[in-house]
Amino acid sequence: AQKITQTQPGMFVQEKEAVTLDCTYDTSDQSYGLFWYKQPSSGEMIFLIYQGSYDEQNATEGRYSLNFQKARKSANLVISASQLGDSAMYFCAMRDYSGYSTLTFGKGTMLLVSP
Amino acid sequence: DAGVTQSPTHLIKTRGQQVTLRCSPKSGHDTVSWYQQALGQGPQFIFQYYEEEERQRGNFPDRFSGHQFPNYSSELNVNALLLGDSALYLCASSLYQGSDTEAFFGQGTRLTVV
Repeated sequence: AQKITQTQPGMFVQEKEAVTLDCTYDTSDQSYGLFWYKQPSSGEMIFLIYQGSYDEQNATEGRYSLNFQKARKSANLVISASQLGDSAMYFCAMRDYSGYSTLTFGKGTMLLVSP
Repeated sequence: DAGVTQSPTHLIKTRGQQVTLRCSPKSGHDTVSWYQQALGQGPQFIFQYYEEEERQRGNFPDRFSGHQFPNYSSELNVNALLLGDSALYLCASSLYQGSDTEAFFGQGTRLTVV
C-alpha cells in the first residue's frame, strides 16, 4: 500500500523568502509519480509540479522545484521568492503505475506568507 | 474553455437522506475521478469512471455509487447519509491515456450532513 506523510501541519514564511515543504512516501512499486498540489480556500486543487520515479533530474516549474531523494523516499517542494498569494494548503500525492490513475494524498501543510 | 465544473457548490442534508453530486469534466477529457476530503485531511479516492464504467474503487462502502454519461459527465450518489459523510467532494477529470500532469480538479461540493 502507498502512503504519503507530510509532517508539517503549518509553515510560516516571509514574503520573498524561500520555503521547503516536506513530503516522504512509502511504496513497494518501482514505477510511480509524485505530485504537489495547491489548494486555496476556494477548494480547487491546483497542480504545481510532477516528478517521475525514473526522472534523474529534479523537476522545476517556475518558482517551484521538487527536491527528489529517491533513496530516502522524499519529495520536498521548494518555493522560491514566496508571494502573499502562495498562502494555501499544499498537498503531496503519489500515483503508482501498476494500477489506474488514482492519487494517494498526504494530509497537507498550511503555508502562510506574511508581508 | 471551461474547466471542471461541479454542482452544487454547497449542500446541507439530513442524516439518512440521499444526495447526488454532479461533475462536468474539462472539454476533451474522458475520465472522471471522485475524491472525498474530510476537514483537515487530504483527499481520498472514491472511484473512477471511464467509458461509462467504474474502473477502480477506493475503500468506500456501497452507499457510494456513481454514474458516467455518454457526454463524460458524472454523478456521485450517496445513500443513507451519515454525519461522517460531511466533507468536500472533489471531481477530477483527465484523459484515460493522458499524461499525469493533465488531471484537473473542480472546486468541489461541500456537503454538510446534520
